[in-house]
Amino acid sequence: AQKITQTQPGMFVQEKEAVTLDCTYDTSDPSYGLFWYKQPSSGEMIFLIYQGSYDQQNATEGRYSLNFQKARKSANLVISASQLGDSAMYFCAMREPGNFNKFYFGSGTKLNVKP
Amino acid sequence: NAGVTQTPKFRVLKTGQSMTLLCAQDMNHEYMYWYRQDPGMGLRLIHYSVGEGTTAKGEVPDGYNVSRLKKQNFLLGLESAAPSQTSVYFCASSSPTGSSNQPQHFGDGTRLSIL
Repeated sequence: AQKITQTQPGMFVQEKEAVTLDCTYDTSDPSYGLFWYKQPSSGEMIFLIYQGSYDQQNATEGRYSLNFQKARKSANLVISASQLGDSAMYFCAMREPGNFNKFYFGSGTKLNVKP
Repeated sequence: NAGVTQTPKFRVLKTGQSMTLLCAQDMNHEYMYWYRQDPGMGLRLIHYSVGEGTTAKGEVPDGYNVSRLKKQNFLLGLESAAPSQTSVYFCASSSPTGSSNQPQHFGDGTRLSIL
């Protein structure tokens, strides 16, 4: 079974609107971390936001927030007030401390922000 | 701050040639990882290391070898390059700290073409 599933290969959003990128995960480890990374066309991987499995509140970092629904095993990224510079690939990842701290990555969602 | 540095950034090889990719981190991280990213896809783990002198296989280890002789360095070797190994290679490092909230820090990637 896939550890991380991102079902949206590509998405479009109008500039200044909000967009949600979906991510579901699969683990039996009670302690895990969920991360989102951004990969612009230049290729580097940029860490955006983190959510811990025991965190009671959804994580927020500036215009990024994580909609964490533990029972559904989903960790969707919400980008508010989209900007042209948000156009990039976005990867959801999970860390399993009980499994040699391996990270598992989804296949990514390509976001295009339209002016 | 250097973070994670990968050398070289680009390389073209002929089938059957060998080469070594170097990854160096200056954050005193215990864990280091090598991934490959093929066009339009996410990251796949090749090998990883949980400390100096240790290495382990990831998801796609065949055709690659690694060494972690020093804590700050993680080398990825291709003994006999094949066209199927044409990819972008990313090195990453992370701190264990016993919790799951530490993200991976990535290098800028190495674009490798095998002709």
